[in-house]
Amino acid sequence: DGGITQSPKYLFRKEGQNVTLSCEQNLNHDAMYWYRQDPGQGLRLIYYSQIVNDFQKGDIAEGYSVSREKKESFPLTVTSAQKNPTAFYLCASNLGMAGVGADTQYFGPGTRLTVL
Amino acid sequence: QKEVEQNSGPLSVPEGAIASLNCTYSDRGSQSFFWYRQYSGKSPELIMSIYSNGDKEDGRFTAQLNKASQYVSLLIRDSQPSDSATYLCAVNRYYGNNRLAFGKGNQVVVIP
Repeated sequence: DGGITQSPKYLFRKEGQNVTLSCEQNLNHDAMYWYRQDPGQGLRLIYYSQIVNDFQKGDIAEGYSVSREKKESFPLTVTSAQKNPTAFYLCASNLGMAGVGADTQYFGPGTRLTVL
Repeated sequence: QKEVEQNSGPLSVPEGAIASLNCTYSDRGSQSFFWYRQYSGKSPELIMSIYSNGDKEDGRFTAQLNKASQYVSLLIRDSQPSDSATYLCAVNRYYGNNRLAFGKGNQVVVIP
């Protein structure tokens, strides 16, 4: 059963803590993405990776870090430097190549992070 | 000008009617266009992708693309209560870049 999994579903963080959100895919996709969604807002790109051991900053990378050591995994760390981390975090993936259909992104179920 | 704009405000439609959603984008070089449906508290799921000018139909959904006017629309025919959700428009400016820009979404409420 192919897909994208994210864990945990809900996460609570105390101020000053770093937390790591997990994203795993078994779709054999090369590219993976992290987005943040705030209420009433569209999705904003945090980081993306088009190949193992390489990643690029998106539009709102400050206060976040990522790694891409395996094709299947793209964890996101929300650091204490992120001042307003409460949001819905979405991981996505696609084939990562050019061409019709290859750029379609598929989303995991999301992690809802709340700062206490 | 925002990269991707969707007209604001919830759209209420009676069951069985047509819901029409519009999206405009700023980059004339945009190549591919997507509509996602997002239920409250859930992640977006792909409804349609469209790459060429004209209409593309899939079941009760029709996407329309007009690159000259820089807009893409989504029609939902025979609207059902299960269509009540937020619909997100997304645009990929470049093949190979694969960075999508998203609109804020349009909420659709289908009234039984």
